[in-house]
Amino acid sequence: GQQVMQIPQYQHVQEGEDFTTYCNSSTTLSNIQWYKQRPGGHPVFLIQLVKSGEVKKQKRLTFQFGEAKKNSSLHITATQTTDVGTYFCAGRDSGTYKYIFGTGTRLKVLA
Amino acid sequence: DADVTQTPRNRITKTGKRIMLECSQTKGHDRMYWYRQDPGLGLRLIYYSFDVKDINKGEISDGYSVSRQAQAKFSLSLESAIPNQTALYFCATSDVRGGESFFGPGTRLTVL
Repeated sequence: GQQVMQIPQYQHVQEGEDFTTYCNSSTTLSNIQWYKQRPGGHPVFLIQLVKSGEVKKQKRLTFQFGEAKKNSSLHITATQTTDVGTYFCAGRDSGTYKYIFGTGTRLKVLA
Repeated sequence: DADVTQTPRNRITKTGKRIMLECSQTKGHDRMYWYRQDPGLGLRLIYYSFDVKDINKGEISDGYSVSRQAQAKFSLSLESAIPNQTALYFCATSDVRGGESFFGPGTRLTVL
């Protein structure tokens, strides 16, 4: 079945450093979503990417969808302590209507 | 008030007990989902429902059952709880276009 892997599993950065998490699917995706879960909280939607090669930006966050629509990345420029949390990608297989979540990357930002 | 609510928020139970987790939503969405979260494994889909008469198994449905009592209500049952069902459980909803999912606050379940 469809599998979605994320790397790294954990990342500790100094405040002000950049951070990137990568998401890889075993199958071609129709679209991909990104969520952020703060410690003790629930996942909150960040963005959805649909087109091959799509790039979207939200302030310091840059999201990319691969040309083959099998991978995606989230890059945070100049991290802040408010960026702390776990970032999940969720990919929707072309043949189904449900999303499969990645394993998540937990980000810790050291002040 | 929260759009997606879950009850209870925390539950400790014993092996073999029957447990029901409840989810209610006020977003008017047709689609509802149950996920469990375990450290290092992310969110795994247990069951999902695209409308009141539609129930589908997810990745890890064994040991679980669900009921969609109304558009706004989707409950998850553990007929005979076992320790490896100890996890954080999330309910989520989305609209028919399958866009963003809205998650409830979660239920932390411990099976002793």
